[in-house]
Amino acid sequence: GESVGLHLPTLSVQEGDNSIINCAYSNSASDYFIWYKQESGKGPQFIIDIRSNMDKRQGQRVTVLLNKTVKHLSLQIAATQPGDSAVYFCAENTYSGNTPLVFGKGTRLSVIA
Amino acid sequence: DVKVTQSSRYLVKRTGEKVFLECVQDMDHENMFWYRQDPGLGLRLIYFSYDVKMKEKGDIPEGYSVSREKKERFSLILESASTNQTSMYLCAITQGGSWGNQPQHFGDGTRLSIL
Repeated sequence: GESVGLHLPTLSVQEGDNSIINCAYSNSASDYFIWYKQESGKGPQFIIDIRSNMDKRQGQRVTVLLNKTVKHLSLQIAATQPGDSAVYFCAENTYSGNTPLVFGKGTRLSVIA
Repeated sequence: DVKVTQSSRYLVKRTGEKVFLECVQDMDHENMFWYRQDPGLGLRLIYFSYDVKMKEKGDIPEGYSVSREKKERFSLILESASTNQTSMYLCAITQGGSWGNQPQHFGDGTRLSIL
């Protein structure tokens, strides 16, 4: 979920289990969404994106689900590995617009070996 | 692969100094962005540029300026550094002309401390 304070929400998952990270967005006009992964000491890394004409998109071990009705986005990571430990955050924009992305504050994923 | 290089990983400067943060891309991308990232506040856009010598203010431009004399290089300038500018600074680019429909790719950041 989104952080409203100084501390990021944390999701702890056992290695090998599936992880689900959620993001609520606010702009009903947003039609392009991205998930990023940020490891400690590194810049955000692009994982996967989805446009609003889709409700699901799959990548390698990751799936993004989009529910436009409730303005909710989720990232599912299959068979979570220790290397998946990071902060994950979503970003939104309008597909046709030349306006900058709006970023969420992130969720920290902690994988328990 | 897109490569965004920020010249310094860590930088320590003193209050009142003029500070330059450099970002270089290795492809012919038009759009470049500077963000700062602070705990609890996420990524906040300072300035962006969509072409050489072009610049647009982001959400928090106060205390900063930018320079883009060549397409591959986008510099962030702290005119007179203050302690509240201690932060992680991230540069990003998008490929192609329109940035609304494609991901931004980030450098690894410069952690700047102002003493």
